[in-house]
Amino acid sequence: QLRLQESGPGLVKPSETLSLSCTVSGGSISSSSYYWGWVRQPPGKGLEWIAYIYYSGNTYYNPSLKSRVTISVDTSKNQFSLTLTSVTAADTAVYYCASYWTPSGAFDVWGQGTMVTVSS
Amino acid sequence: QSALTQPASVSGSPGQSITISCTGTSSDVGTYNLVSWYQHHPGKAPKLMIYEASKRPSGVSNRFSGARSGNTASLTISGLQAEDEADYYCCSYAGSNTWVFGGGTKLTVL
Repeated sequence: QLRLQESGPGLVKPSETLSLSCTVSGGSISSSSYYWGWVRQPPGKGLEWIAYIYYSGNTYYNPSLKSRVTISVDTSKNQFSLTLTSVTAADTAVYYCASYWTPSGAFDVWGQGTMVTVSS
Repeated sequence: QSALTQPASVSGSPGQSITISCTGTSSDVGTYNLVSWYQHHPGKAPKLMIYEASKRPSGVSNRFSGARSGNTASLTISGLQAEDEADYYCCSYAGSNTWVFGGGTKLTVL
């Protein structure tokens, strides 16, 4: 059974870069049936799709974040990563990694989430 | 790309049915059948409850059902149980490999 686990610092200073990783277990990140994505939830607000990536490296971004976001995949480690540059307090959120299963057209497995606070 | 519109909260008594609406536009819900619903208990991983507007993943109770008409999708939970109390989010494909979520609905089981 597929499992996803986020990792990364819980505190980032304003104007710096947020970096998170997601480790995939129970399946291969090179599966042709999946994309691998990030979703965030600011405190008291709804979910926001950030980006997703195919194992071959094709990337897709939320237009509102595209200028600051990079998503990448490391098939040798069965991991994918997110970087968000020039962060502000508005980027404070719980960040989830999730698998997008193409046959379902939905995000079928999610990590537990990791809280990232932007503060000096 | 604006967030889909959901009611902030709904409530119902055990055994009753409730429906949560999810309103989008002709650029997302109105065009694509790729609408999904997620149950989220705070502090836990969101769980997929409905995909392709009305299909249930294996293991999800048949008390959960979904529908889509025009620019609006809906999630209905019948036979409410205490364990259904959670936040629910809709999500729609918005074209060009982008996705949009709703603002979330807090379900309270009275």
